[in-house]
Amino acid sequence: GQNIDQPTEMTATEGAIVQINCTYQTSGFNGLFWYQQHAGEAPTFLSYNVLDGLEEKGRFSSFLSRSKGYSYLLLKELQMKDSASYLCAVRDGNYKLSFGAGTTVTVRA
Amino acid sequence: ETGVTQTPRHLVMGMTNKKSLKCEQHLGHNAMYWYKQSAKKPLELMFVYSLEERVENNSVPSRFSPECPNSSHLFLHLHTLQPEDSALYLCASSQDLGQGVDTQYFGPGTRLTVL
Repeated sequence: GQNIDQPTEMTATEGAIVQINCTYQTSGFNGLFWYQQHAGEAPTFLSYNVLDGLEEKGRFSSFLSRSKGYSYLLLKELQMKDSASYLCAVRDGNYKLSFGAGTTVTVRA
Repeated sequence: ETGVTQTPRHLVMGMTNKKSLKCEQHLGHNAMYWYKQSAKKPLELMFVYSLEERVENNSVPSRFSPECPNSSHLFLHLHTLQPEDSALYLCASSQDLGQGVDTQYFGPGTRLTVL
């Protein structure tokens, strides 16, 4: 089976940095994805990691350690519009995405 | 702006009703997916189609019946649902069945309430 864990909620101040951790135990691994989902909207793709290391995309970075079954999403220079749910998803050896329950990030002024 | 549209956005139905959810993708993708998203729970994969062939039926009750008439359209037919089926139903598409950075693009979902 697949097991993907991430914190339920995080709160941070505008302009700060927040790190959302994700640990996984899956029967296969073919990439890890992070999605952002605003309330009432579609999840949108943020990042993809398949090799160990850090991928940087503007204010957002994602890190992967396959040996540890661990990833994090780093959000820098937080803005109010970053308040959303962040979903960690692992693709197994084929095409199936298994999702964590999501981390709700609240950005305060 | 999204290349995947879903209708209706909200649906309230009784347990004896029959209704259908519609998904359309304008991205030229070959694979389409149905997911169920319940509050505080992970997205659950329900069905997967690749080039209009069903490749995944993830132990979903028969009261949910998918249909994929072509690679751009996907339906989910609902009948005799239960209150616990109330959830957000998300459609997604991807270029093919998950190679490399081939990500899934999601529609906005249908918020379903079963009374």
